[in-house]
Amino acid sequence: DAGVIQSPRHEVTEMGQEVTLRCKPISGHDYLFWYRQTMMRGLELLIYFNNNVPIDDSGMPEDRFSAKMPNASFSTLKIQPSEPRDSAVYFCASSLGYLEQFFGPGTRLTVL
Amino acid sequence: AQSVTQLDSHVSVSEGTPVLLRCNYSSSYSPSLFWYVQHPNKGLQLLLKYTSAATLVKGINGFEAEFKKSETSFHLTKPSAHMSDAAEYFCVVSDPQGAQKLVFGQGTRLTINP
Repeated sequence: DAGVIQSPRHEVTEMGQEVTLRCKPISGHDYLFWYRQTMMRGLELLIYFNNNVPIDDSGMPEDRFSAKMPNASFSTLKIQPSEPRDSAVYFCASSLGYLEQFFGPGTRLTVL
Repeated sequence: AQSVTQLDSHVSVSEGTPVLLRCNYSSSYSPSLFWYVQHPNKGLQLLLKYTSAATLVKGINGFEAEFKKSETSFHLTKPSAHMSDAAEYFCVVSDPQGAQKLVFGQGTRLTINP
């Protein structure tokens, strides 16, 4: 298995633009997580899904952020409009039940 | 609420010497505890986990951790450091309200000196 796949690996955009981050979880996993990592706040859970259904989105910072999981093999995290303070590394992770979470390599987002 | 405190933001050791990364947790319930490692520009990888079985947990790459309820600690150790151990290490506790919700410590950066 290729592991959790994220794209793009790097994204540079200008303030106000829409940004879409993509994630393909490990096949057969039923949980999917989106995290954000910054120097100031460390690693934060933004939202997680179970069987494609959002379970807890209390970590989503504001309405500019939205996440979807249209099927078991794909999820997106969208920021619209983006702001410089959204600059961070965004990780996607997946797991099978209450087992180990496998992390993707991350997307480094820079908003100018 | 669950929380973890990593007592050192940066630890530096010489190659071949022991490693100790300290972690204290706060939990109202019997927690599940984890250590993850993050190498530069990489995702996180699970080193080991404690889920109320043996209090001494062995992980990958020679790491182990001991759960001490009386001290609310879960320190990570390795007898002999290797250059490839240089990375960021995260102590993590699971939230019983949503067992899959992980709460991360701030991380400890481990530097290995030749």
